Amino acid sequence: EADIYQTPRYLVIGTGKKITLECSQTMGHDKMYWYQQDPGMELHLIHYSYGVNSTEKGDLSSESTVSRIRTEHFPLTLESARPSHTSQYLCASSEYGTFTYEQYFGPGTRLTVT
Amino acid sequence: AQTVTQSQPEMSVQEAETVTLSCTYDTSENNYYLFWYKQPPSRQMILVIRQEAYKQQNATENRFSVNFQKAAKSFSLKISDSQLGDTAMYFCAFVLYGKLTFGQGTILTVHP
Repeated sequence: EADIYQTPRYLVIGTGKKITLECSQTMGHDKMYWYQQDPGMELHLIHYSYGVNSTEKGDLSSESTVSRIRTEHFPLTLESARPSHTSQYLCASSEYGTFTYEQYFGPGTRLTVT
Repeated sequence: AQTVTQSQPEMSVQEAETVTLSCTYDTSENNYYLFWYKQPPSRQMILVIRQEAYKQQNATENRFSVNFQKAAKSFSLKISDSQLGDTAMYFCAFVLYGKLTFGQGTILTVHP
């Protein structure tokens, strides 16, 4: 399996709480991504980064924010969690400049907001 | 914008048999990649096979092969000699300049 890690794997939290989902990779990849996936559904890109201090919004609008202070770390933050944020969040990374464009995925964080 | 369609929400197959998962896409681009990803239950998503659009030869990885029809914008995945470990959700993905657009996914169940 790829060297990309996400914590926590499962999180149940009450409405209004601030949460941070962690994502780290040890492959030295420049590009990192956050996807949102409802159960049994497709993945939607919500954030991506081309490198340190670079962050962009993806195709699906999200109330979450991201930061990229270190190459290996790409955390996602929700300032005030709501039940509509209940979903699975997948982090991925890829090597910049390769032609294969393969993205390596983490195990995901399954978030439930009550 | 690119779109990817997987018209089979669920498929099932007996162990050791062959199954084909369908995928169609829409794009006006000429050079791109196509991927099939596998997402086993509660496990990480992994790349199964990739196809470069400029290559006419269909990609093959062990028991997995694709039927790439560029003119028809079709990219199906064939799994031969299905194994219980092939049970997973399979996603077709269109890749352009590093950005992936995923299909809706097909849940494949392999029965003993």
